[in-house]
Amino acid sequence: SAVISQKPSRDICQRGTSLTIQCQVDSQVTMMFWYRQQPGQSLTLIATANQGSEATYESGFVIDKFPISRPNLTFSTLTVSNMSPEDSSIYLCSVVTSGYEQYFGPGTRLTVT
Amino acid sequence: AQSVTQLDSHVSVSEGTPVLLRCNYSSSYSPSLFWYVQHPNKGLQLLLKYTSAATLVKGINGFEAEFKKSETSFHLTKPSAHMSDAAEYFCVVSGGGGNKLTFGTGTQLKVEL
Repeated sequence: SAVISQKPSRDICQRGTSLTIQCQVDSQVTMMFWYRQQPGQSLTLIATANQGSEATYESGFVIDKFPISRPNLTFSTLTVSNMSPEDSSIYLCSVVTSGYEQYFGPGTRLTVT
Repeated sequence: AQSVTQLDSHVSVSEGTPVLLRCNYSSSYSPSLFWYVQHPNKGLQLLLKYTSAATLVKGINGFEAEFKKSETSFHLTKPSAHMSDAAEYFCVVSGGGGNKLTFGTGTQLKVEL
């Protein structure tokens, strides 16, 4: 398994501002992902965070809105840029272990006013 | 392409009675299938996984699931529900490499006395 922490755990932000969410893993992992869970909804994959190269974004998500960094094998950040109320969601990072199991962080609950 | 359909958005059972949460999948590849549980205001926890080994998979907390290729199903069961089982359950499919997960819409399980 893997122990994943996220910062901040929650935040309330004003529209037009940006928030950077951090994800830290207790071991080196090759694959890290960022998901969004909108209120009352299921999880949607935003992007795959690749170490040493640009993130790979899913349809409907763009780098200008959700820039991602992956400086090493234990850490990643997701920035939600120029926020609007529609960005209010829980943002989760996840990692894949050597056993091909995917573990999730506790999430960052974002409210945009 | 891959997808999952959770056939019930809400399931209500009495404590001590069996639980059945239904999931059908679609995948162009040999899929890996998972069930995750999300308790209120808690992170996602992996219940069990199927990765082409035994078709009957046992997970944590007494849950199990059976992979039926002919029916493209992966239903989650538990012989006797406990109050602590009340949560949201997600059926998830992964396939085609890259470990990208596709989540179902979730089933809210309610356990009554």
